[in-house]
Parts: sequence; C-alpha cells; structure tokens
Amino acid sequence: GAVVSQHPSWVICKSGTSVKIECRSLDFQATTMFWYRQFPKQSLMLMATSNEGSKATYEQGVEKDKFLINHASLTLSTLTVTSAHPEDSSFYICSAIDRSGGGLQDTQYFGPGTRLTVL
Amino acid sequence: QKEVEQNSGPLSVPEGAIASLNCTYSDRGSQSFFWYRQYSGKSPELIMFIYSNGDKEDGRFTAQLNKASQYVSLLIRDSQPSDSATYLCAAEHAGAGSYQLTFGKGTKLSVIP
Repeated sequence: GAVVSQHPSWVICKSGTSVKIECRSLDFQATTMFWYRQFPKQSLMLMATSNEGSKATYEQGVEKDKFLINHASLTLSTLTVTSAHPEDSSFYICSAIDRSGGGLQDTQYFGPGTRLTVL
Repeated sequence: QKEVEQNSGPLSVPEGAIASLNCTYSDRGSQSFFWYRQYSGKSPELIMFIYSNGDKEDGRFTAQLNKASQYVSLLIRDSQPSDSATYLCAAEHAGAGSYQLTFGKGTKLSVIP
C-alpha cells in the first residue's frame, strides 16, 4: 500500500509553545489529506480536511486559529498546534487520499501518528 | 447524520478459529467501505476495502458487503494472536468530492492462544 510519513513521531513541549507536525505522502500525490486526533481508548476524531492550495475545512468544535493547517504541496501538509496546553496532549494522526486507483478505489492511508505531550 | 455502528467487544476467539466482525451504516449514499486494523498506541492500518455487493477475499481476510441491509463484515480465518487489535469499519461518501470517511468506534478482537 501507499506510504504516509509523519514527523516527529513524538514530541514533548512546555505549555504555551507551538508544535508543528508534518505529514508527507511518500509515493503518491495527495490533493486531500486529513488530520485526526485520538485520545486514549477513544475513537478517531476528524479535526480537519486539508486541501492542497486552499484553506482547510475544520470540523465543528475545532478551533482553526489554534490548529493551523497548511497544505502547500501535493505531498506535504502541516498541522501547527499553537499555544499548546496540557489538554492538547493527544495522538495526532494524518491520512492522505491515494486516488491513483480511480473512483471507488480511492483509498485513505494513515501516517504512523505523532504523540504530543504538553507539560 | 452519517453513522457507522460496530460492537465494541471485546470479541474473543481461540487461535485458529474464524473471527467475524460486523458493521452497519446509516447513510445509503455511502459507496466504499474500509476495514482498518489498529494496534494499541499505533495508527490505523488498511486491511481491505470493498464497494461491490458480495464477498471480497484477500488472504485470510474476507470482506462482505450487503448494500440492501447496509451491512459490512470482515471475516478473519485461522485467527492468530497477532490479529489481536481493534478493527475499525469506515464508510466513504464521496459526495461533492469530499472523500471523508465516517468511522465506527471499533471492535476489539482478542485471539486466545
């Protein structure tokens, strides 16, 4: 299957600092990427849809000024958690759509995730 | 509202048995369906997808789709302890090019050696 990478895999930061997470599609171009958050023992929660060359679409309840998303190229989307606080500590996972299969075979592949701990 | 329902489990099966995981969805506009496996502390990993009614087999895995009943299932034959994970069912409604997936909450599978 297609490969999606994330960097860093884990990060620990102080409260009030900003953290940038990168998501890359390594062997395909992805015009659409997604950002999810998952708290322990809970299901995936979609935060936003990232479209190359346009503004991200945020899900209800997700602060767009706090979670800045930039999808500047067909293989890279970034999520910046601004002024992070302990309640932002979570597992952040990106995914990218591989449309090379065409139509109903478009498939979403996940990155390995980034574990953020805010002290 | 689009919903995907799964039994949270845990579902326990002995090693070598068939594990059957079920999923229902509410949105009749859903066109493609995906099964992901998620190990604890890891991100989801795609197992297989299906978009046509009937069965689709890939190794030890068989996905089944019944659009009339809005039902998707995943069968795992010859279950192994390494199959122990949470299995996520997802439905895609590619309306207006959104390609968003709606995930179920997952079924935790435990394969007992």
